[in-house]
Amino acid sequence: TQLLEQSPQFLSIQEGENLTVYCNSSSVFSSLQWYRQEPGEGPVLLVTVVTGGEVKKLKRLTFQFGDARKDSSLHITAAQTGDTGLYLCAGDRNGNNRKLIWGLGTSLAVNP
Amino acid sequence: GAVVSQHPSRVICKSGTSVKIECRSLDFQATTMFWYRQFPKKSLMLMATSNEGSKATYEQGVEKDKFLINHASLTLSTLTVTSAHPEDSSFYICSARRDGGIEAFFGQGTRLTVV
Repeated sequence: TQLLEQSPQFLSIQEGENLTVYCNSSSVFSSLQWYRQEPGEGPVLLVTVVTGGEVKKLKRLTFQFGDARKDSSLHITAAQTGDTGLYLCAGDRNGNNRKLIWGLGTSLAVNP
Repeated sequence: GAVVSQHPSRVICKSGTSVKIECRSLDFQATTMFWYRQFPKKSLMLMATSNEGSKATYEQGVEKDKFLINHASLTLSTLTVTSAHPEDSSFYICSARRDGGIEAFFGQGTRLTVV
């Protein structure tokens, strides 16, 4: 059973297009984090959302945490080739031995 | 952010030998570190939670005698793949969180190839 459903798993778009990645769960998380990973490297933290309904912006990236803290989305505006990579969401459920619950990842390819 | 250093970044070993991977938190102390395995374009698969000064907690299906974890100090955890076989070839990544912190910080990963 996948506790954090991430979609889509694969996405190939043209430069300049917009896209949204979703992470959904039936469980409540105390916080949710988004990471970006390039091939052969470790994931790099993009943002952490903590409060239900919270919206955070990082240049062309907009992150939203659902009101009930069960889901989150990542929206990229006017994608660039440099946005290509694997995007991962991870939820923190306090008391779960500090383990993060990971989505399956979204492999994004932005074509020139 | 915080810095986690993982070494080596790449290693090739012969089948039957053992390989040690180090994970260091460079500018913070980490009571707990995590070891993951990752397949191409796939998410992270947690192997074990490394606890400073005590035994690691392994996820279901992960052989603790094959993947030995030692967390001898607050800044260093090691993963030793014993008697490696080609099916152990993979990308291994460690992460650490500041005590009381929310975010996880990752090492650069280790590409292990067993020939």
